[in-house]
Amino acid sequence: QKEVEQNSGPLSVPEGAIASLNCTYSDRVSQSFFWYRQYSGKSPELIMSIYSNGDKEDGRFTAQLNKASQYVSLLIRDSQPSDSATYLCAVNFGNEKLTFGTGTRLTIIP
Amino acid sequence: GAVVSQHPSRVICKSGTSVKIECRSLDFQATTMFWYRQFPKKSLMLMATSNEGSKATYEQGVEKDKFLINHASLTLSTLTVTSAHPEDSSFYICSASGRATYEQYFGPGTRLTVT
Repeated sequence: QKEVEQNSGPLSVPEGAIASLNCTYSDRVSQSFFWYRQYSGKSPELIMSIYSNGDKEDGRFTAQLNKASQYVSLLIRDSQPSDSATYLCAVNFGNEKLTFGTGTRLTIIP
Repeated sequence: GAVVSQHPSRVICKSGTSVKIECRSLDFQATTMFWYRQFPKKSLMLMATSNEGSKATYEQGVEKDKFLINHASLTLSTLTVTSAHPEDSSFYICSASGRATYEQYFGPGTRLTVT
């Protein structure tokens, strides 16, 4: 059973601080990793994809991948209240489907 | 970025009727489309995967005769909930993937309420 695990939270972070979201996965051969943001009552929105070890930065977002330790993380710098949402980690385990974690609920406190 | 539309955004129907939901990729060709459902405060649950021109592959426990999926073209997939019952009330979301990177782009979702 291929799994993706996230801490469900809630994770509370003061406005302007760095929010750190973590995700672990069960299969070493995984190649594609994604972070989605889902606001309450809305559908998920792709915010980052990462395929190789190391960091990938896009604006205030940085995805970090460590395949040896089987984890992927998302850092949000200068957190804003509009970043308050549920963040879903998704992994492709070699077929066309994505396996999603249960999501981490993030709250940015003004 | 890739845009996926879904219609209708909200539908209320009576028990026993059928409802069709459309999912369209607007600016790319979607070789694969996915249908999910999500209950309040719960995780996404994949219902089925569909490839253009072939039969959908349903996840375990999903009734293929109740949830009819058609993927007639590279830009359109439809989900028909047949003989809907109140327990089918949920948020149905489609996604589309057109690239080897396996990125999925989600439609805005359809909120189905069966009375």
